[in-house]
Amino acid sequence: EAGVVQSPRYKIIEKKQPVAFWCNPISGHNTLYWYLQNLGQGPELLIRYENEEAVDDSQLPKDRFSAERLKGVDSTLKIQPAELGDSAVYLCASSSWYRGRNTEAFFGQGTRLTVV
Amino acid sequence: GQQVMQIPQYQHVQEGEDFTTYCNSSTTLSNIQWYKQRPGGHPVFLIQLVKSGEVKKQKRLTFQFGEAKKNSSLHITATQTTDVGTYFCAGPFPVRGNAGGTSYGKLTFGQGTILTVHP
Repeated sequence: EAGVVQSPRYKIIEKKQPVAFWCNPISGHNTLYWYLQNLGQGPELLIRYENEEAVDDSQLPKDRFSAERLKGVDSTLKIQPAELGDSAVYLCASSSWYRGRNTEAFFGQGTRLTVV
Repeated sequence: GQQVMQIPQYQHVQEGEDFTTYCNSSTTLSNIQWYKQRPGGHPVFLIQLVKSGEVKKQKRLTFQFGEAKKNSSLHITATQTTDVGTYFCAGPFPVRGNAGGTSYGKLTFGQGTILTVHP
């Protein structure tokens, strides 16, 4: 079974440019997460989807970040315009429901973004 | 706010020594999960604890969930160089949805404990 697939693995862009990340979760997983991870820190949740609905986007900087999960399967995360402080690893994860709670999260390899 | 705190932030041990990391939540959790992230890698699930006072073992790793379901620990006996990495705990916090209902799927991570093992 394929795991969570993210692309690209690495991205270098100039500040003020747009960038997009793509994630394909594990088949059948209805919950999809986008996390941001800075060096030496834990993953910080940006947005969580249950199927196609964004149920928690309180930590997504909506002035420059946007996300979508059309048809409740794969998802894209966009930053426009990117700032130097956006340099980080962007992780996508997915999980399913079992007996009323989320199962463990499976993470993709992440996209390492460098803004110069 | 909803927080998960881990201590210590760093731990350096000699191979063969034991290692423990502690996790504390600002609120009672329905369950707690532990993940390991190797250098340059992504977090990988280790285990989930659900019951109050639960103890689970995986070879040299022992996981505990506190009686109040607000704290947890991971203990590694006789560390090996393959144990190197960052260990995270994570718990699902309640979130009020846009429609007014409450869901418990906001998986919030601690800042992790970075373990280095000297051979």
